[in-house]
Amino acid sequence: DAGVTQSPTHLIKTRGQHVTLRCSPISGHKSVSWYQQVLGQGPQFIFQYYEKEERGRGNFPDRFSARQFPNYSSELNVNALLLGDSALYLCASSLEAGQKAFFGQGTRLTVV
Amino acid sequence: AQKVTQAQTEISVVEKEDVTLDCVYETRDTTYYLFWYKQPPSGELVFLIRRNSFDEQNEISGRYSWNFQKSTSSFNFTITASQVVDSAVYFCALSGNSGGSNYKLTFGKGTLLTVNP
Repeated sequence: DAGVTQSPTHLIKTRGQHVTLRCSPISGHKSVSWYQQVLGQGPQFIFQYYEKEERGRGNFPDRFSARQFPNYSSELNVNALLLGDSALYLCASSLEAGQKAFFGQGTRLTVV
Repeated sequence: AQKVTQAQTEISVVEKEDVTLDCVYETRDTTYYLFWYKQPPSGELVFLIRRNSFDEQNEISGRYSWNFQKSTSSFNFTITASQVVDSAVYFCALSGNSGGSNYKLTFGKGTLLTVNP
């Protein structure tokens, strides 16, 4: 079975631009979460979706938004990119919240 | 608020040595879950273990073992007879349901383990 897949794997954007990151969860998993990992730090929670509804939001500005589709895949959108948005963005899926969460390989975003 | 502290930033050992990674957590939840993840240089977080707050039994899986003690709010991870392939960043994480957190994962800052041949 395929694991959690994220695309793209690497991305370079300019300040002020917009970016969309994509995530496909493990088949059968209905919960998808997004995390931001800045170099040298642990991942920080951004969003959680379950059955297409937002179930949690971390302490991130409104420039960050996400959604989950009927097939449980998810997109993370970031508007008006700042240099500080440069990070590894990780997607995790689980059967339900609180269950084992499996992570994708991440999207490494560089903002220049 | 939930908090995870991994006091060891970096650990360096020689192959075949045993090594213990410390994790201390804070939570007001009575029901919560504790996790360990491994992050090799490729970046993907690899799930190692999940324990719930009602299960304080220690667990052993091959060369890995975990010691969960609620009395000291600790969930330590030991690698026996370390190998070069164990070199990675290891994260301890906590999830609970208080304050609408809905079991989001709260991670520590990670411990970089380097196993030298």
